[in-house]
Amino acid sequence: GAVVSQHPSWVICKSGTSVKIECRSLDFQATTMFWYRQFPKQSLMLMATSNEGSKATYEQGVEKDKFLINHASLTLSTLTVTSAHPEDSSFYICSAIVRAYEQYFGPGTRLTVT
Amino acid sequence: GENVEQHPSTLSVQEGDSAVIKCTYSDSASNYFPWYKQELGKRPQLIIDIRSNVGEKKDQRIAVTLNKTAKHFSLHITETQPEDSAVYFCAATGSARQLTFGSGTQLTVLP
Repeated sequence: GAVVSQHPSWVICKSGTSVKIECRSLDFQATTMFWYRQFPKQSLMLMATSNEGSKATYEQGVEKDKFLINHASLTLSTLTVTSAHPEDSSFYICSAIVRAYEQYFGPGTRLTVT
Repeated sequence: GENVEQHPSTLSVQEGDSAVIKCTYSDSASNYFPWYKQELGKRPQLIIDIRSNVGEKKDQRIAVTLNKTAKHFSLHITETQPEDSAVYFCAATGSARQLTFGSGTQLTVLP
């Protein structure tokens, strides 16, 4: 089946620094990827839609200058959390559309900001 | 935008019994309804999905039903096993194919 990878799987950073998370489709091309955030014991909340070669579409309430998304190729989308603060600590998961509507998720990145 | 409500938030069943999780959605334009199983600290895994032109779909012990008129859909797991214990999420797909998730159901299957 389709494989989506993420790197790193976990990261600890200091408050005020930036962190980049990579999402890759390993055996297919993904023109559209999605970024979700999941706080402990909560559901997945869509942050933004990443489109290859164009600007990302952000959900209401998500700061586009804080969460920078780049989708420079058909197999890679990156999420950069800039000036991270402890409240940004969360589980970040990407997904890619494989067929029509079916989405496969990456393994997630656990971000801890100290 | 789309709003998806999911019930119950927790569900405990005896091994071998059936489990039912229900979801409602608000956007009548939604046309794809997947169900995901998520184990602690791991990615959501698609277990079954249904398109709006179908009323029911079954895959071994798992089935999903959809009532478009009432805008609700349900997950049915029969002959539950301890390894079915996890958090289950329903979701609905909007026009841009983005997923709106329900709040999740923690299913516990007691041996």
